[in-house]
Parts: sequence; C-alpha cells; structure tokens
Amino acid sequence: KAGVTQTPRYLIKTRGQQVTLSCSPISGHRSVSWYQQTPGQGLQFLFEYFSETQRNKGNFPGRFSGRQFSNSRSEMNVSTLELGDSALYLCASSTGTPGGKLFFGSGTQLSVL
Amino acid sequence: GIQVEQSPPDLILQEGANSTLRCNFSDSVNNLQWFHQNPWGQLINLFYIPSGTKQNGRLSATTVATERYSLLYISSSQTTDSGVYFCAVGAYSGGGADGLTFGKGTHLIIQP
Repeated sequence: KAGVTQTPRYLIKTRGQQVTLSCSPISGHRSVSWYQQTPGQGLQFLFEYFSETQRNKGNFPGRFSGRQFSNSRSEMNVSTLELGDSALYLCASSTGTPGGKLFFGSGTQLSVL
Repeated sequence: GIQVEQSPPDLILQEGANSTLRCNFSDSVNNLQWFHQNPWGQLINLFYIPSGTKQNGRLSATTVATERYSLLYISSSQTTDSGVYFCAVGAYSGGGADGLTFGKGTHLIIQP
C-alpha cells in the first residue's frame, strides 16, 4: 500500500503571495489532517477533513484554508503569506474512525522570504 | 486546551542502552499516539495507546489513563533509533476526532 504523498517537497515564496499544498492519503483512508511544524511552536493542528467536509479546525487565522476532493485527496491553501508562515506542513491520513492511527507524509517545507 | 509535557527533553545514550520516555497530559483523553520523527523529518507512528500496554519489537508503551501519563520504553537502542519522539493526545467526540495536541518531544541521540 502506498503511503501518504505530499507535493511539492520544498517551496519558496515571497511575502504576500499565496500557496497551495497537496496531499494524497493512503488508499481507503477518508480523513486527512494538516499540521504545521515550526521550531518555536512545535507541531500544531490546522484542520481535518473527512468525506469532503471540514470536521475540525485548529486555532489558525482564516488565511489558512483547505478542501478535500471526492477521491479523499486534500489541498491546503495559505493566502497573503507572512514570514511566520515558514514551516514544515505535514499531512496525516487515517480511516477517520475512533481508534485510527495517523500516518504522516514527508511534508512540504515552505520558506517565505 | 490539553497540555502535554514530555520528559526528558534531551537524552544521549550509547548503543545497546535502554531508555524510558515520559508523557504527562492535563486532561482525560481517549486518543494517545507515539511518533518517531527521523532526522529527515518523517513522522512514523509507533503506537496508538489510549490505555494499557503494547509491545512492538524493542519498543513498548504503557498508558495509565487514570493518572494521565504514558511511558515509551526503548530497549537495546540502535543508532537508527535517534530522532525526536513525540507524544500526541486528543479526544473523539460525536463530531469526530479532535486534532491531536503534540508535546515538544524528546530528542534522543544514540551514539555508536
């Protein structure tokens, strides 16, 4: 079974731009969660999608948004990038049912200049 | 929100040593997972263990939910065990799984 695939692996953007990150979950998994990892704040939950609906959301500004498609693939968008958005963005896949382990992709390293 | 504290923050051991990593959490949870982040940034799920004890090879974990802590044991350490170990907790409700709250991790270095 293929693992969680995130693209691109690296991104460099400038302040004010927007960016879209992609995540393909493990086949059969219906839940996709997104996390931001920074040296200062550690790993923080952004949001979770299940069957194309946002089911849970963390404490991030509205510039961070996402969506999920019918094939469970998910995209995350960050608009009006700020220097502080530089981070490793990790996508996690799970069955979405209680007791489901999270399986993470390799992440997208975003640098905002 | 739930607070998660991991100890020790850093640990340096020789190959072959055993270690115990601790995770304390501030509220009741029904979702607790341990992860290993390797030097390349990949997060690997080690255990889903909201209560009880599990073993997987040289690794085992115990969660005492009533006392709000979990322990990860690594025996006969190998250099490939190096990396950061995270404990993450959360809760399931009628609306599905809350996002996991991660601790700051234990940075483990295994020297040959």
